[in-house]
Amino acid sequence: EPEVTQTPSHQVTQMGQEVILRCVPISNHLYFYWYRQILGQKVEFLVSFYNNEISEKSEIFDDQFSVERPDGSNFTLKIRSTKLEDSAMYFCASSEAPAGRGTGNTEAFFGQGTRLTVV
Amino acid sequence: KQEVTQIPAALSVPEGENLVLNCSFTDSAIYNLQWFRQDPGKGLTSLLLIQSSQREQTSGRLNASLDKSSGRSTLYIAASQPGDSATYLCAVRSDSWGKLQFGAGTQVVVTP
Repeated sequence: EPEVTQTPSHQVTQMGQEVILRCVPISNHLYFYWYRQILGQKVEFLVSFYNNEISEKSEIFDDQFSVERPDGSNFTLKIRSTKLEDSAMYFCASSEAPAGRGTGNTEAFFGQGTRLTVV
Repeated sequence: KQEVTQIPAALSVPEGENLVLNCSFTDSAIYNLQWFRQDPGKGLTSLLLIQSSQREQTSGRLNASLDKSSGRSTLYIAASQPGDSATYLCAVRSDSWGKLQFGAGTQVVVTP
């Protein structure tokens, strides 16, 4: 069964360092998302991406964050200068269609997550 | 602003009992609602997606109902098993780009 794959599963980084979290979405999906979950809190939306552009971003997604689809299979989230409060589980998700646009299955499939620990 | 609430926060039942998990949302203008399962330290597994035009969706022992006008969805899990122990999250999609807004989840423990 197709799945969303994320690497690494766990990353420890020093405050101020740059990190890149990687995701391989399901191959026929066109819409990509990043979410994060701080320990004990709700899953929060960060950004959505379609056709090589950000389609929507949250207040959390400030200038320290960026996303890229460097090739036909990978989708990355970069944090330029990590802070202690960036420590969280980061989830990548993908779907065929988003909701109110076009046709196709809107069900979102999530990866297993990358646990980022900033020390 | 859409707010999603799940009650109760935690639930413990003996094996074999039916589980009833509740989700409420403040803005009824949603495209659909998705239920997920999350095991400790793991990712989110999609269980069911129910469109705004549907009243019910079923998959095996799982049944989700949706009352959009009152802002409620309920997930029923029949004949619970210890393997059903996990946190169950509901998420609504109110936005045409597909952003999901999550509840805090209900942590379920099924005791043998």
